[in-house]
Amino acid sequence: GAGVSQSPRYKVAKRGQDVALRCDPISGHVSLFWYQQALGQGPEFLTYFQNEAQLDKSGLPSDRFFAERPEGSVSTLKIQRTQQEDSAVYLCATRVRGAGETQYFGPGTRLLVL
Amino acid sequence: GNSVTQMEGPVTLSEEAFLTINCTYTATGYPSLFWYVQYPGEGLQLLLKATKADDKGSNKGFEATYRKETTSFHLEKGSVQVSDSAVYFCALTPYGNKLVFGAGTILRVKS
Repeated sequence: GAGVSQSPRYKVAKRGQDVALRCDPISGHVSLFWYQQALGQGPEFLTYFQNEAQLDKSGLPSDRFFAERPEGSVSTLKIQRTQQEDSAVYLCATRVRGAGETQYFGPGTRLLVL
Repeated sequence: GNSVTQMEGPVTLSEEAFLTINCTYTATGYPSLFWYVQYPGEGLQLLLKATKADDKGSNKGFEATYRKETTSFHLEKGSVQVSDSAVYFCALTPYGNKLVFGAGTILRVKS
């Protein structure tokens, strides 16, 4: 596709439900990042993949959060037993490969936990 | 640690006014610096970047210069347009991977 796509765009969950957020990267982009953006704040790093390898997960806020990218393309961010504080926009970004290259962001998934 | 501080908004300007959005940073090593923009209803887009001290990034009439001595990367534009209304984020990448963002500055331009 032309850009990074994310689905769903909006998700409403009841507290305690599990959710799965999907990111489709730009074709050929090796690196993939997940960020969390709370209302009125800048995005905060969650985790980073190079191909299928998760190289950095230092930003995941708790063990309820995990991410996978099994074939080095599509990635899924899963949140188990959602809490109200998980309400945020979840952004996916991808880049071709190297450290000096631009990250391209998707439109985000807005998660609201009631 | 690594952090970015931006001036608080919203910043409200009339069309054709001069724009400055201040950004200062704290980082280990020699980070690359970025400005990203988020237009209403759209995703984050890279506006400009600079990878080393004294570099100037520029795009669409916006400029920012990497000042190591003052740890700053202020965004400027000589004449803003209504279409520049957006949220602007200053960011750094300390080791070339994850981005560290400021809180964002809302810019509103009136006609």
